[in-house]
Amino acid sequence: NAGVTQTPKFQVLKTGQSMTLQCAQDMNHEYMSWYRQDPGMGLRLIHYSVGAGITDQGEVPNGYNVSRSTTEDFPLRLLSAAPSQTSVYFCASGWGQKYGYTFGSGTRLTVV
Amino acid sequence: AQKVTQAQTEISVVEKEDVTLDCVYETRDTTYYLFWYKQPPSGELVFLIRRNSFDEQNEISGRYSWNFQKSTSSFNFTITASQVVDSAVYFCALRSSNTGKLIFGQGTTLQVKP
Repeated sequence: NAGVTQTPKFQVLKTGQSMTLQCAQDMNHEYMSWYRQDPGMGLRLIHYSVGAGITDQGEVPNGYNVSRSTTEDFPLRLLSAAPSQTSVYFCASGWGQKYGYTFGSGTRLTVV
Repeated sequence: AQKVTQAQTEISVVEKEDVTLDCVYETRDTTYYLFWYKQPPSGELVFLIRRNSFDEQNEISGRYSWNFQKSTSSFNFTITASQVVDSAVYFCALRSSNTGKLIFGQGTTLQVKP
């Protein structure tokens, strides 16, 4: 039982490049979310999904796209990377609204 | 709109001291859920506790205790007899029953010195 798997763990991008951060969970969780963590800012919600085919914006969605074609996968796409997107990104999944999330181990992204 | 405020950015205590981490939240939902997570220096996020808006009973788990007061919109976390291993960033979070969004506070960095 792998839980929530994020790949890659580290990535360096040049400004303007695009990339996809992968997130997969094997717990059949309906809810999945992406967060970014910056010093002094806590964890800020980028996008979230309540099930396959359903996504919604969080607090800081600009510059990011998501899709949820399956229950298991929730990739995060950076369309044109900017230095302001340098951050640690966490993917999380969970059951229903009552429960907390299980988090992946994070992706440390640097945009130069 | 939902908001979680952790006014204490950093706290430093000496081992065996008690310490309380404050959390204040804002929501218009009548049903909501509150959480605490721990992020040790290794970086992973560890779930500590969940509390729903209907249950104001305080909870104790070993050296950890949580005080939920709906009247003041607070969900404070106390560590009794702190240990060096408690050094971490602690996050308070709020989940809406309407949207399912989980929103975090800014986090409190706790340093426990030997």
